[in-house]
Amino acid sequence: AQSVAQPEDQVNVAEGNPLTVKCTYSVSGNPYLFWYVQYPNRGLQFLLKYITGDNLVKGSYGFEAEFNKSQTSFHLKKPSALVSDSALYFCAVGGGSNYKLTFGKGTLLTVNP
Amino acid sequence: GAGVSQSPSNKVTEKGKDVELRCDPISGHTALYWYRQSLGQGLEFLIYFQGNSAPDKSGLPSDRFSAERTGGSVSTLTIQRTQQEDSAVYLCASSLRGFGDTEAFFGQGTRLTVV
Repeated sequence: AQSVAQPEDQVNVAEGNPLTVKCTYSVSGNPYLFWYVQYPNRGLQFLLKYITGDNLVKGSYGFEAEFNKSQTSFHLKKPSALVSDSALYFCAVGGGSNYKLTFGKGTLLTVNP
Repeated sequence: GAGVSQSPSNKVTEKGKDVELRCDPISGHTALYWYRQSLGQGLEFLIYFQGNSAPDKSGLPSDRFSAERTGGSVSTLTIQRTQQEDSAVYLCASSLRGFGDTEAFFGQGTRLTVV
């Protein structure tokens, strides 16, 4: 069965500093990897995805993520955090034998001014 | 419509009553998912529909939960004899293809409160 781990429940960074939100996955076959963001009292929004090709993928709002096959990781990064980036971030994996999207438990990112 | 639509947006029900939650996916999307998000928790997978294939019901927490998707479009999630632990936000999502390689678009959710 496929699974996603987000080892940090919370991440705190200062505005202007780089941020990283960690994600590791387990799936048979080629993984399809996604990041979503949930702002307070709003629905989940797609940020970026890795399907194939370059290991570094760029998405919305200046976010990027790096696919690392050997470490089975897909960490979300941003060079300079904004207070408005504060939200709940979810990593998800698709593919495998049953194609459904499996989500991690989420990481609450707080960017302090 | 332009996005995934869920109704009602809020539902308060008495313990033991049945409820139906509706999801209108994006037109042309073949895959449809239901998830549940409890306060402070992640997304719990409930059920997955892909085209005409048999749905993946592996996430349904009990036989009180069921879902159907009519005509490959609208889906209804039914919870029978609701319990307080069923209180959560129920999220529906659809994606263009069902191979897990296209992003899912989420509705705003139905907040269910069982009193």
